[in-house]
Amino acid sequence: DQQVKQNSPSLSVQEGRISILNCDYTNSMFDYFLWYKKYPAEGPTFLISISSIKDKNEDGRFTVFLNKSAKHLSLHIVPSQPGDSAVYFCAARAAGTASKLTFGTGTRLQVTL
Amino acid sequence: GAGVSQSPSNKVTEKGKDVELRCDPISGHTALYWYRQSLGQGLEFLIYFQGNSAPDKSGLPSDRFSAERTGGSVSTLTIQRTQQEDSAVYLCASSLDPDDSATNEKLFFGSGTQLSVL
Repeated sequence: DQQVKQNSPSLSVQEGRISILNCDYTNSMFDYFLWYKKYPAEGPTFLISISSIKDKNEDGRFTVFLNKSAKHLSLHIVPSQPGDSAVYFCAARAAGTASKLTFGTGTRLQVTL
Repeated sequence: GAGVSQSPSNKVTEKGKDVELRCDPISGHTALYWYRQSLGQGLEFLIYFQGNSAPDKSGLPSDRFSAERTGGSVSTLTIQRTQQEDSAVYLCASSLDPDDSATNEKLFFGSGTQLSVL
């Protein structure tokens, strides 16, 4: 039972354009959402997060949007850069379970020149 | 070291053998986590340590899997009688305080151990 879903396994975007990565979840107990970025042969690194009390969080080129009614979140990268090429994981945490993150399967982003 | 260190980076073993995977967390991090990523899957939670105790081991897939942590530092994940479905990348992460949402996001991952069971 995949509680966090990233339905696009890959995405290709031209440098300078916007990258939009999507994530859907099914567990209404999730109250905190995170995006992690992973380069080959490295562990995931934290990118940006959002609490369920917000609908948007911005950090430089990265913005995460949360639509609770649709149980959907998205990560926008503007402008996209070649160094953004990586696998992006969406993760969620349920209230009262600070220890456990539920991850999606990841989306591989390729930013082309 | 500055980051989370895992060893070995790669492990090839035969079905039925036992394996031990090691994790050295960031110094001072009280929380330690094990995750695994099978081919085509997301990261799957295995176990969480706070200090030397494991308040959440709900993700361990079977009794062939066990983990311990000593001295509030190094952790070992042991898989007994390995099966082919155990093949995956096993990731360790550490953090300061998982109950503080401001630091929960600061989960630092190691590079993982690629386990291949033949």
